[in-house]
Amino acid sequence: TQLLEQSPQFLSIQEGENLTVYCNSSSVFSSLQWYRQEPGEGPVLLVTVVTGGEVKKLKRLTFQFGDARKDSSLHITAAQPGDTGLYLCAGDFGNEKLTFGTGTRLTIIP
Amino acid sequence: EAGVAQSPRYKIIEKRQSVAFWCNPISGHATLYWYQQILGQGPKLLIQFQNNGVVDDSQLPKDRFSAERLKGVDSTLKIQPAKLEDSAVYLCASSLEPGFTDTQYFGPGTRLTVL
Repeated sequence: TQLLEQSPQFLSIQEGENLTVYCNSSSVFSSLQWYRQEPGEGPVLLVTVVTGGEVKKLKRLTFQFGDARKDSSLHITAAQPGDTGLYLCAGDFGNEKLTFGTGTRLTIIP
Repeated sequence: EAGVAQSPRYKIIEKRQSVAFWCNPISGHATLYWYQQILGQGPKLLIQFQNNGVVDDSQLPKDRFSAERLKGVDSTLKIQPAKLEDSAVYLCASSLEPGFTDTQYFGPGTRLTVL
């Protein structure tokens, strides 16, 4: 069974600060996605990364896929209250199915 | 474009009762997924349909869970009888085609509480 571990599990920071959350696995991903889920809603896709070492930017969000394709990180610059939510990584271990991580619950304090 | 619709949004039942959830995917999406999201965890795939056929139901507890997508559009997920550990949010998602690179669009979910 492939497992994705996310850290930290909870993170609460002040508006304007920077933060990084992590997604790790003992197995190699074919590709990986990051989602944000707000209370009472389903997850919404933020980005897909497919190449080891790949870096993608989405406004204040920077996503990195590890060289060994076993880990990924999401960095948020100058966090805003609208960034509050549950951040989920989901990996494809070669079977084209989404295996979700445990999630990082992020709270931005105004 | 309308998103994935799910109903009901909330359901409270007692253990051993039955419950059914409904999902209407985005128009034209051939692939439909049901996920279970237990509090504090990420979603877990229960079943995947391609049109009206089952592609993957390996993680569906078939002794109590069933799902159908008779006309290749709407889908229902049923639990009979429910157990306490079935308390979770049940998410429906759809995509144009199967495959990891095809974006899955999620509905708002049905929150089930089993007492």
